[in-house]
Amino acid sequence: SYVLTQPPSVSVAPGKTARITCGGNNIGIKSVHWYQQKPGQAPVLVIYYDNDRPSGIPERFSGSNSGNTATLTINRVEAGDEADYYCQVWDSSGDHPVFGGGTKLTV
Amino acid sequence: QVQLQESGPGQVKPSETLSLTCTVSGGSISSYYWSWIRQPPGKGLEWIGYIFSNGRTNYNPALKSRVTISVDTSKNQLSLKVSSETAADTAVYYCARAKEGDSFMDVWGKGTTVTVSS
Repeated sequence: SYVLTQPPSVSVAPGKTARITCGGNNIGIKSVHWYQQKPGQAPVLVIYYDNDRPSGIPERFSGSNSGNTATLTINRVEAGDEADYYCQVWDSSGDHPVFGGGTKLTV
Repeated sequence: QVQLQESGPGQVKPSETLSLTCTVSGGSISSYYWSWIRQPPGKGLEWIGYIFSNGRTNYNPALKSRVTISVDTSKNQLSLKVSSETAADTAVYYCARAKEGDSFMDVWGKGTTVTVSS
């Protein structure tokens, strides 16, 4: 099964830029999606197909994907962005979604 | 605006079978994949399995022998059964929707907590 690797934690000061990585073998040829999960809440989709944003997600959130690493970038980080972030791809061989282990963003 | 609502017993005893329901409101079950995903306390997300609106299923190989997912289109509900429960099955269980042809889940339920304990 396809494996996604995320750093357990990332810290950033308010107003700065946070970058959360998601590593996988040749992940650049896959579509990567990102979810934000705040404590006690369900995950919320923040980026889909590498760099598309659902309606209601601020433009501060963006994504990129190349080679063996996908990256979620959050510009001008706010206290309200503090959450766990999960990357996800579709494992075509098993025909199912795969999640990364999650990254806790501390602001 | 489609909404998903999970419901279940809250607590089950070891070796018993867990049964959960996800009720879909504000939209149709048709032409979507419906996944069950769980999250043990303090841990990450684990995909359990999905069912397409035509009844086609796919399960996590690690859980396949214990899991059954079904759909009742007349009630706009999907269900999850997990047999032979152990403490390792203690988790928040979510249902989530993926549109046919998409590889991401755009709508999630709020989740329901299940504790396996005698």
